[in-house]
Amino acid sequence: AQTVTQSQPEMSVQEAETVTLSCTYDTSESNYYLFWYKQPPSRQMILVIRQEAYKQQNATENRFSVNFQKAAKSFSLKISDSQLGDTAMYFCAFMKHRGSQGNLIFGKGTKLSVKP
Amino acid sequence: ETGVTQTPRHLVMGMTNKKSLKCEQHLGHNAMYWYKQSAKKPLELMFVYSLEERVENNSVPSRFSPECPNSSHLFLHLHTLQPEDSALYLCASSQETGLEKLFFGSGTQLSVL
Repeated sequence: AQTVTQSQPEMSVQEAETVTLSCTYDTSESNYYLFWYKQPPSRQMILVIRQEAYKQQNATENRFSVNFQKAAKSFSLKISDSQLGDTAMYFCAFMKHRGSQGNLIFGKGTKLSVKP
Repeated sequence: ETGVTQTPRHLVMGMTNKKSLKCEQHLGHNAMYWYKQSAKKPLELMFVYSLEERVENNSVPSRFSPECPNSSHLFLHLHTLQPEDSALYLCASSQETGLEKLFFGSGTQLSVL
């Protein structure tokens, strides 16, 4: 069975600074997807970034980038130039490449507060 | 307007009540999902529908009964719930099952008294 661990229940960062959220996972699969989702107070889960395990290059989306270390089973999210609107819960998630039927395995989340 | 709409936003019910949660997606997707987000556990998948057929039931108790009358609508019928069923219920959709990009609604916050 796959598991996803986020070891930081809460973090805070000053506006315009950089913050890194940690995620580790456990799986015996060789091919899979990893995701970071953001859940603001509106409660809607919003996809921030995704990584395909067979791609060595780290994914980036504007101010968001990941550090994917497949051997270490680590998938951290870096947010650069933090903005007040980045305040939210952040969830790391895993999905098998085949036969997943949409089953995302989530971590427990990290509550990020961006302070002015 | 988001692509996935859930109603009601909040729901309070007694253990003997029967209620339904509604989800509608405006994205032309073929797959829809129910996820449960409780305070003490990570989000977990409950049900998956593909082309209106249930393809996954993640060991959910029978007091939760899903219904997918067409590819745009998904319901979760609730009866004789327990207080521990209080949670945020999130609906999601995707183009097909097994593809990676899920679009979520804002959820229904359910409280069972």
